[in-house]
Amino acid sequence: NAGVMQNPRHLVRRRGQEARLRCSPMKGHSHVYWYRQLPEEGLKFMVYLQKENIIDESGMPKERFSAEFPKEGPSILRIQQVVRGDSAAYFCASSPVDSGEAFFGQGTRLTVV
Amino acid sequence: DQQVKQNSPSLSVQEGRISILNCDYTNSMFDYFLWYKKYPAEGPTFLISISSIKDKNEDGRFTVFLNKSAKHLSLHIVPSQPGDSAVYFCAARGLYNNNDMRFGAGTRLTVKP
Repeated sequence: NAGVMQNPRHLVRRRGQEARLRCSPMKGHSHVYWYRQLPEEGLKFMVYLQKENIIDESGMPKERFSAEFPKEGPSILRIQQVVRGDSAAYFCASSPVDSGEAFFGQGTRLTVV
Repeated sequence: DQQVKQNSPSLSVQEGRISILNCDYTNSMFDYFLWYKKYPAEGPTFLISISSIKDKNEDGRFTVFLNKSAKHLSLHIVPSQPGDSAVYFCAARGLYNNNDMRFGAGTRLTVKP
């Protein structure tokens, strides 16, 4: 059973471009969470999704950021018109319906130049 | 708002000694607590958890203590090993409410040989 898979591991974008981060949850997991880790900071909750539904996006910036978890395929975190402040490590986690803990992917490190 | 606080950004201990990592929370609705361990360039991995009906949970060298009245939990590692050197994140949430999981800023543990 493969773990949570995130790709790409590293992503470099110029200011103003779009960044797409992908997350494939563990098999059988229908809950996906995205977190952001800024340099020297902890993990900040961004969004919680179930298949085809956004359950809680209270941690998402109001503009430029969006997330989806379609019926088929990975969850996507999309950042439009990236700025230098978006540079961070973005982690995805997944859990089955009744699990205590969430399992994390290895993260995508986004660098905006 | 910082609902989960880890006030020590770093901790250094000698191999074989006890490591004690502390965590405080403010939200009285939290009743499930987790510790994650994170190595550089990797995603956080689940270490140990405790629900509010317990005050102690032990797994090998790792023990988590919960003091609900003080809204405080701690992770004890005995004996500490150099391979334990990592960043440790405390997390808290409602027992059946995964999307409310909030993380502390992390404590970097260094175990010296």
